[in-house]
Amino acid sequence: SQTIHQWPATLVQPVGSPLSLECTVEGTSNPNLYWYRQAAGRGLQLLFYSVGIGQISSEVPQNLSASRPQDRQFILSSKKLLLSDSGFYLCAWSPSGANYGYTFGSGTRLTVV
Amino acid sequence: AQSVTQPDIHITVSEGASLELRCNYSYGATPYLFWYVQSPGQGLQLLLKYFSGDTLVQGIKGFEAEFKRSQSSFNLRKPSVHWSDAAEYFCAAGNTGFQKLVFGTGTRLLVSP
Repeated sequence: SQTIHQWPATLVQPVGSPLSLECTVEGTSNPNLYWYRQAAGRGLQLLFYSVGIGQISSEVPQNLSASRPQDRQFILSSKKLLLSDSGFYLCAWSPSGANYGYTFGSGTRLTVV
Repeated sequence: AQSVTQPDIHITVSEGASLELRCNYSYGATPYLFWYVQSPGQGLQLLLKYFSGDTLVQGIKGFEAEFKRSQSSFNLRKPSVHWSDAAEYFCAAGNTGFQKLVFGTGTRLLVSP
């Protein structure tokens, strides 16, 4: 069966520090991968999605970047965090070429101080 | 533009009472439709999905949803709410092929004793 792992679960980082959040999927190949952010009391904002290795699409201009160095690995990064980067970050995957909905990871709570 | 609307930000239901959460979509064609549930600090879990066919779909945890094309709605229902159902519920929609799900802003369900 397919599983998605996301870590760390919580992170407190000072303003201006770098960020790296990792997401991996097991039990499938060539998944579509997604990064979402959920700010307090707000809905889900799609940040990035990827349909293959090295293929990244950005949905909103921001202080963050994403990379997909391996088929089932998706990384969210920042060189210098801002206070506004605080939030709950969710990774998700879906089968390529089909719409069966997303499977989400358990999320990372990022607090920038 | 494609959109999903959840008109209720908060809903409070007494334990044992019935529940209906509203979802309306705006798409060029009939989209695929989903309901997700999110417990505090957790990722999103798929409750049910509609692709085609029977307009009443059954999901996990005793939930069901009805697709009404004439009303562009996909409302979530449960006949008897349990305290453990308190969570945030998201409606989402997508198209065939590779797609990015469009999420509603969520409805927070509170269950009173």
